Amino acid sequence: AQSVAQPEDQVNVAEGNPLTVKCTYSVSGNPYLFWYVQYPNRGLQFLLKYITGDNLVKGSYGFEAEFNKSQTSFHLKKPSALVSDSALYFCGATDSWGKFQFGAGTQVVVTP
Amino acid sequence: GAGVSQSPSNKVTEKGKDVELRCDPISGHTALYWYRQSLGQGLEFLIYFQGNSAPDKSGLPSDRFSAERTGGSVSTLTIQRTQQEDSAVYLCASSRHRDKNQPQHFGDGTRLSIL
Repeated sequence: AQSVAQPEDQVNVAEGNPLTVKCTYSVSGNPYLFWYVQYPNRGLQFLLKYITGDNLVKGSYGFEAEFNKSQTSFHLKKPSALVSDSALYFCGATDSWGKFQFGAGTQVVVTP
Repeated sequence: GAGVSQSPSNKVTEKGKDVELRCDPISGHTALYWYRQSLGQGLEFLIYFQGNSAPDKSGLPSDRFSAERTGGSVSTLTIQRTQQEDSAVYLCASSRHRDKNQPQHFGDGTRLSIL
């Protein structure tokens, strides 16, 4: 069965420090992986995706994610976090049928 | 507008009443999803439409929940005889088609409160 795991309910980081949000997946076949961000009282916004090719994917707002096949991970990263990055982050994956599954979400809190 | 539109943005109703939630997907998007999100929680898949194919209803929590999509565009999620546990944010998303690499585009949701 397909699954997406985000092991941390919350990540706290000081502004200016690197930010990492973890995601691991279990998907049959070649994975298609996504990251979304949700600000309060809003829907999810697409950040980036991995389909194939370069393991380092760059996305919106300075975020990037690294696909690691051996560790079945797709961690989201940002070199220098901003207070405005405080939000709820979701990792997702599609299976071979195109059905999408989200992780449980990770709350990111960036303190000034 | 260019994005996914959901209405109403907020809905307060009494227990036992029926409610209808509406989703207008992005024009040309053939795939449409409904999710439920409890306060500060993750997303619970409810139902998925793809073109003229039979919908994937595997996430609907009970027979009080139903959805339809008319003309391959607008979708309505109906909850009959609402219960307090139905209180949540209901999110709609659309994508260009059910291709594995297509990201979903989300509306801002309908916040449903059952008194």
